[in-house]
Amino acid sequence: RKEVEQDPGPFNVPEGATVAFNCTYSNSASQSFFWYRQDCRKEPKLLMSVYSSGNEDGRFTAQLNRASQYISLLIRDSKLSDSATYLCVAAPLTGGGNKLTFGTGTQLKVEL
Amino acid sequence: EAQVTQNPRYLITVTGKKLTVTCSQNMNHEYMSWYRQDPGLGLRQIYYSMNVEVTDKGDVPEGYKVSRKEKRNFPLILESPSPNQTSLYFCASSGHRGLYGYTFGSGTRLTVV
Repeated sequence: RKEVEQDPGPFNVPEGATVAFNCTYSNSASQSFFWYRQDCRKEPKLLMSVYSSGNEDGRFTAQLNRASQYISLLIRDSKLSDSATYLCVAAPLTGGGNKLTFGTGTQLKVEL
Repeated sequence: EAQVTQNPRYLITVTGKKLTVTCSQNMNHEYMSWYRQDPGLGLRQIYYSMNVEVTDKGDVPEGYKVSRKEKRNFPLILESPSPNQTSLYFCASSGHRGLYGYTFGSGTRLTVV
C-alpha cells in the first residue's frame, strides 16, 4: 500500500464547477500536510498547507481529517487555468519535516 | 528573485559516464532535497540535507551521491549512470524546518542511453 494515495483521475469538469479531491495517508505519525500543483512536467508549486482546523485561500479550501487519515482539496468556480495535476503531500514533524511523501497526483481538466 | 536553480535542464548521456546535476538556492534555506519523478510512481526522494555537511538517504538513494559543502549548493552526482536512472529530477529547498513547504527547481530531464 502506498503511503499517500490519490485517485489519478482525470477529473474532467466544466468551467465554473466545484470539484473535490481526496487523499489518504497511511503513516499515522504524519503531522504536516500540503497540496502542490504541477503543470505538465514542470516543477511542483506549493498551493497551500493543510491545517487541522481547515483553511481557505480564495477559491481553494483544504481540510484534514486525522481520525480517518485523509486530506481534501475543494476548488470552487473552476477556471481553465486550474487544469493541472494536484499532488498531496504528507510529512512528519520529527526529523524537521524533511521527509516529504508525495502522492502520485490527481489530474484535473477544466473544460469550456 | 528567490529561486532554486538547477542545471542542466536537459541531458542525454551514455551508460557509465559520470555526471553532476547542480542545484543552488538563494534563500539561505537549511533544508535541501533531491527527487526523481517517474510516470505512475510520483516524486520519490533520493537524498536530503538538513544543513551544511549533513546529508541522509531518502527512499531511492542507490546509484546517487550528494554533497553539501556550502549552504546554497546541493549537487547530485551519478558516478556510473544506467538507463534506469532516466528520469525527471527536481531539487527543492525549504526554510523553517520544512513546515511551510518547499520551493522546487525547474527540473532536469535526464536520459541515459
